[in-house]
Amino acid sequence: DADVTQTPRNRITKTGKRIMLECSQTKGHDRMYWYRQDPGLGLRLIYYSFDVKDINKGEISDGYSVSRQAQAKFSLSLESAIPNQTALYFCATSDLRGADTQYFGPGTRLTVL
Amino acid sequence: AQSVAQPEDQVNVAEGNPLTVKCTYSVSGNPYLFWYVQYPNRGLQFLLKYITGDNLVKGSYGFEAEFNKSQTSFHLKKPSALVSDSALYFCAVRHPYSGAGSYQLTFGKGTKLSVIP
Repeated sequence: DADVTQTPRNRITKTGKRIMLECSQTKGHDRMYWYRQDPGLGLRLIYYSFDVKDINKGEISDGYSVSRQAQAKFSLSLESAIPNQTALYFCATSDLRGADTQYFGPGTRLTVL
Repeated sequence: AQSVAQPEDQVNVAEGNPLTVKCTYSVSGNPYLFWYVQYPNRGLQFLLKYITGDNLVKGSYGFEAEFNKSQTSFHLKKPSALVSDSALYFCAVRHPYSGAGSYQLTFGKGTKLSVIP
């Protein structure tokens, strides 16, 4: 969905490096999410935010942190990347008025060597 | 706890034939149910959702899904498959309450659909 953008689209990094993935949206939604996708495991929720002052841990938050800089921006950080964090990362947004239907960005493919 | 099962890792169907991608769920209360599609190197795209009302829900690209409460299923269907429908399909479920303390959208592991010319 072009209304949800993610940068970078691809990133290769080394073990121990700090990495930030960024997400921006123009949909005007209050709610934003970070997921990771691994083959055969589907999508797993890392963190979610219902507004600028609200941050919540998801299913697999260990090793990750987030920052909600504005309604439209939600960043995911890996403080010290490790190889098992190699995955496809998706940002999503939703609006309670739309029954929280989530709209996804194009994804960031992260490889940790 | 809520959960979603997509019992088939892969579904193969000939072009022009009807297709079904299966999904069963477990959640307390009346569920909100969703289908998403993921094309190669793309993000997930919303196809359709069931919130309440008619058990047959119509969505994008000619897809539809039928909610069956007694069988706790929400199978995705299309009357005539196209080669361009080949993609990865995800079913998802959430509890109808939307407060921060009770929110979670749970995805199935995905079903790869291959439409053979």
